[in-house]
Amino acid sequence: GIQVEQSPPDLILQEGANSTLRCNFSDSVNNLQWFHQNPWGQLINLFYIPSGTKQNGRLSATTVATERYSLLYISSSQTTDSGVYFCAVGNDMRFGAGTRLTVKP
Amino acid sequence: GAGVSQSPSNKVTEKGKDVELRCDPISGHTALYWYRQSLGQGLEFLIYFQGNSAPDKSGLPSDRFSAERTGGSVSTLTIQRTQQEDSAVYLCASSGGGGVQETQYFGPGTRLLVL
Repeated sequence: GIQVEQSPPDLILQEGANSTLRCNFSDSVNNLQWFHQNPWGQLINLFYIPSGTKQNGRLSATTVATERYSLLYISSSQTTDSGVYFCAVGNDMRFGAGTRLTVKP
Repeated sequence: GAGVSQSPSNKVTEKGKDVELRCDPISGHTALYWYRQSLGQGLEFLIYFQGNSAPDKSGLPSDRFSAERTGGSVSTLTIQRTQQEDSAVYLCASSGGGGVQETQYFGPGTRLLVL
């Protein structure tokens, strides 16, 4: 099956900083999604982005399908951005291990 | 309802017993998804319903797992003869049904502990 790797595994930021999270995948896909799980366990579907770029407020995502990676950008981070960010790829929604983000006030 | 609801919120059972987990999707959502999150395996996709049918059941971990959806609304995930490795948080999500590009809305999950 498709291998999904996310980096970095952990990231600690000061409030207001910007960050880039990466998702590498081993095969071409027609489905790639980003999710955020807050510290209380609630999952939120952020983006469906098999290719191209999308933006939603302070978050944006870019997928370069030909090079098999996707990036999630968080600008002007806030403490409420803390949690784990997952990418999932493929029709069988193979998840990466996630990036745990901690934003300090 | 206002959001996806799941019941029970917590379930403790003994190894070998059967359990049923319920998901109530957002009213009008035709697509429904089940996921599992465990310490050992991370997040896993289990099964997807479009209406009452599940075109692909290959994500279910074993034949002890089954899921059904009736009336295009409520779904039940059943685990027979539970094992300790079934301990996990079981998450349900629903979407409008236009395909994977539709935003999924998640419930709070059912935390299952098999003793």
